[in-house]
Amino acid sequence: AQKITQTQPGMFVQEKEAVTLDCTYDTSDQSYGLFWYKQPSSGEMIFLIYQGSYDEQNATEGRYSLNFQKARKSANLVISASQLGDSAMYFCAMREGAGGFKTIFGAGTRLFVKA
Amino acid sequence: DAGVTQSPTHLIKTRGQQVTLRCSPKSGHDTVSWYQQALGQGPQFIFQYYEEEERQRGNFPDRFSGHQFPNYSSELNVNALLLGDSALYLCASSLEVTATDTQYFGPGTRLTVL
Repeated sequence: AQKITQTQPGMFVQEKEAVTLDCTYDTSDQSYGLFWYKQPSSGEMIFLIYQGSYDEQNATEGRYSLNFQKARKSANLVISASQLGDSAMYFCAMREGAGGFKTIFGAGTRLFVKA
Repeated sequence: DAGVTQSPTHLIKTRGQQVTLRCSPKSGHDTVSWYQQALGQGPQFIFQYYEEEERQRGNFPDRFSGHQFPNYSSELNVNALLLGDSALYLCASSLEVTATDTQYFGPGTRLTVL
């Protein structure tokens, strides 16, 4: 069955430093997509980055990069040069390709950026 | 380019009442999904609508129902409200539903059931 695991309930990082948020997933499908979303205290889910299961290169979007290790079924989010505005909840999510219309989410990691 | 919009922002109901939440998808998107996010948890998939039909449903009782209109906007209805229905309800829209498609979320409706 599909499952997303985020083992870090909370993380602290110093401003301007890099931080890695962990995500592992479980699926029997060969085709799937992996997503990271940011949720500030306002509640809106903000799309950050996407990685397809067949993509050979790690996805990057500005200060965000996704460290995709397919054999280990991990999709860690790396935020470089952290900013105070990065303080938020971060969710890893997955959608399977074979008739999978739903997206499943992990429990999330709360990131605190210290000045 | 308007993003996903939801109304109302906040809602307070009492047990046993019924509620309707509304969602307008991002311009050009034809698929709408609804999620329930309880406090401190990740969003849980309720169902998805495409071409005015429910295409897939998560593990939610029949008290949760929905509708999609010809203009792709959508409603989520919850009957016989329970205290446990208190949550943030998120609507997400996308153009196509494949594994590669990105969903964009609205700001959510926070429902409190007393």
